[in-house]
Amino acid sequence: AAGVIQSPRHLIKEKRETATLKCYPIPRHDTVYWYQQGPGQDPQFLISFYEKMQSDKGSIPDRFSAQQFSDYHSELNMSSLELGDSALYFCASSLGRGNSEQYFGPGTRLTVT
Amino acid sequence: DAKTTQPNSMESNEEEPVHLPCNHSTISGTDYIHWYRQLPSQGPEYVIHGLTSNVNNRMASLAIAEDRKSSTLILHRATLRDAAVYYCILRAINTGTASKLTFGTGTRLQVTL
Repeated sequence: AAGVIQSPRHLIKEKRETATLKCYPIPRHDTVYWYQQGPGQDPQFLISFYEKMQSDKGSIPDRFSAQQFSDYHSELNMSSLELGDSALYFCASSLGRGNSEQYFGPGTRLTVT
Repeated sequence: DAKTTQPNSMESNEEEPVHLPCNHSTISGTDYIHWYRQLPSQGPEYVIHGLTSNVNNRMASLAIAEDRKSSTLILHRATLRDAAVYYCILRAINTGTASKLTFGTGTRLQVTL
């Protein structure tokens, strides 16, 4: 079965650079979530989209922005990168909002040097 | 958000049942109890969820206390592939938003031969 696709899988950037992470949800899934997992930490919710509209917002820095496109894929844009942004970034998708189970992608490992 | 409390770690022998407890004494009437797990170097994976009644699926069983202040995830026969961090998550259902997952510290399950 098709899973959530994230690209790139690994990304190395320098401080103050920008990065764009992409997420392709499972076909027919209309909801996308972004989570950040720092080294040795638990995943933290960043932001979610339903039907291309922002739905919920967590502890996402102002330097980050995201959107969901007409084909339901989503992009997380990160600017003025800091060392503390080094983390695994997971995208998850679900069919509908509310109680639907979330299917997670393999993650993008971002390293800021 | 209502909080959950789980043991930091548990051990089990392969082929034996595992009972992973979770306390959620401040649960509200509209909170569903979700369990996710995260295998090493992977994104979180949905396991099971329930509201009031016990639930079974191909991966596990969920036993919910009558007062809903605690629950137990049951793996009927642990295998080495079940070694993971297991998260008990309360998910408030608001049909107006894409309901996020709030991960706590979880229980790290070790399975030995």
